Amino acid sequence: GAVVSQHPSWVICKSGTSVKIECRSLDFQATTMFWYRQFPKQSLMLMATSNEGSKATYEQGVEKDKFLINHASLTLSTLTVTSAHPEDSSFYICSARGLAGPGDTQYFGPGTRLTVL
Amino acid sequence: SQQGEEDPQALSIQEGENATMNCSYKTSINNLQWYRQNSGRGLVHLILIRSNEREKHSGRLRVTLDTSKKSSSLLITASRAADTASYFCATGANSKLTFGKGITLSVRP
Repeated sequence: GAVVSQHPSWVICKSGTSVKIECRSLDFQATTMFWYRQFPKQSLMLMATSNEGSKATYEQGVEKDKFLINHASLTLSTLTVTSAHPEDSSFYICSARGLAGPGDTQYFGPGTRLTVL
Repeated sequence: SQQGEEDPQALSIQEGENATMNCSYKTSINNLQWYRQNSGRGLVHLILIRSNEREKHSGRLRVTLDTSKKSSSLLITASRAADTASYFCATGANSKLTFGKGITLSVRP
């Protein structure tokens, strides 16, 4: 149980295009999903917290107009990187937390590697 | 900002040996979690220990938490080559997880 999927697993795009990444909780309902980015050999940095049916909460320094997050259902959240540039190239990982709330475990997706040319 | 700081940054051991990894943090927490990440992959949740717990076991894993010292340790017993990965501690507070920089564990066959 507690499986989280991401799609696509990798994507290469041209500078200036937009890329959408999906995060799904496959066998549980997730009221809260989180989006992280990870640079090579570095830690995960939280970008935003997404609650179903409400606006995402972004961490300091993360541009909300650049990284659009939609959490339309209890099993799906999407991250859209708008007008992507080479510096947006990174490994993007989502996680989902179950209905038990803040004390519940976050389950992570396999990640999406974005390369912007 | 990062809260957890793991120690050592890299660890290389022989298969069958035990691996001990440490994590220190700075502020109050609700829980502390350990994750494993294989190269280029997502994170696998290993174990969660709550702030009112001192020790927890799961298979070959043993986690301790000392809230007075703001530190935790992860012990992997009888290591295997398949344990080679990066290990992260993450502190849970205010509904968020804050990750440390990670420890690279190499288990030599």
